[in-house]
Amino acid sequence: QKEVEQDPGPLSVPEGAIVSLNCTYSNSAFQYFMWYRQYSRKGPELLMYTYSSGNKEDGRFTAQVDKSSKYISLFIRDSQPSDSATYLCAHGGGRRALTFGSGTRLQVQP
Amino acid sequence: EPEVTQTPSHQVTQMGQEVILRCVPISNHLYFYWYRQILGQKVEFLVSFYNNEISEKSEIFDDQFSVERPDGSNFTLKIRSTKLEDSAMYFCASRDEEQPQHFGDGTRLSIL
Repeated sequence: QKEVEQDPGPLSVPEGAIVSLNCTYSNSAFQYFMWYRQYSRKGPELLMYTYSSGNKEDGRFTAQVDKSSKYISLFIRDSQPSDSATYLCAHGGGRRALTFGSGTRLQVQP
Repeated sequence: EPEVTQTPSHQVTQMGQEVILRCVPISNHLYFYWYRQILGQKVEFLVSFYNNEISEKSEIFDDQFSVERPDGSNFTLKIRSTKLEDSAMYFCASRDEEQPQHFGDGTRLSIL
């Protein structure tokens, strides 16, 4: 089974808050984990990707992977209204297709 | 920054007609993909393409669908006889070795 489960939200936070977005996955054969951001009527935009367990940081964004519990997270620090979008987690392996979660809709209130 | 380009942005077609969706992947990428997203649902994989042949396809990608790389820059998805349930956003993606997939902004396909 190649499922990725994600809480659809919506998640509403005030500007400046720390946001935590989470996914679980079932297929441990796939080694790559990604977070994409999708604005309305646009394509998925790559935010973060990681291969290994642990944390990866890029500016205000931190991706965390725990392979033992099959849990992936995205943290957004100092959230901005421009962060309002749908966040998609995905995993895949090498050349294989990506399996996406259903996306979490985030609204950052000014 | 290089990007994946898709045309048209919106295609309206009568049921039963053929439609071709076009994509220009990032120029040095070798792996190409089509996904679709029905309104309110997950992004779903359709097909992947490498070295001028299909490398993987989902159960959605039946005989009504085909893909082609007619020249060095374009990658197309053809739906032979469209159905109402083909209405969706169709996304093209491309990648290089060991790099994640980059997506275009999609074509919204509306079947009447």
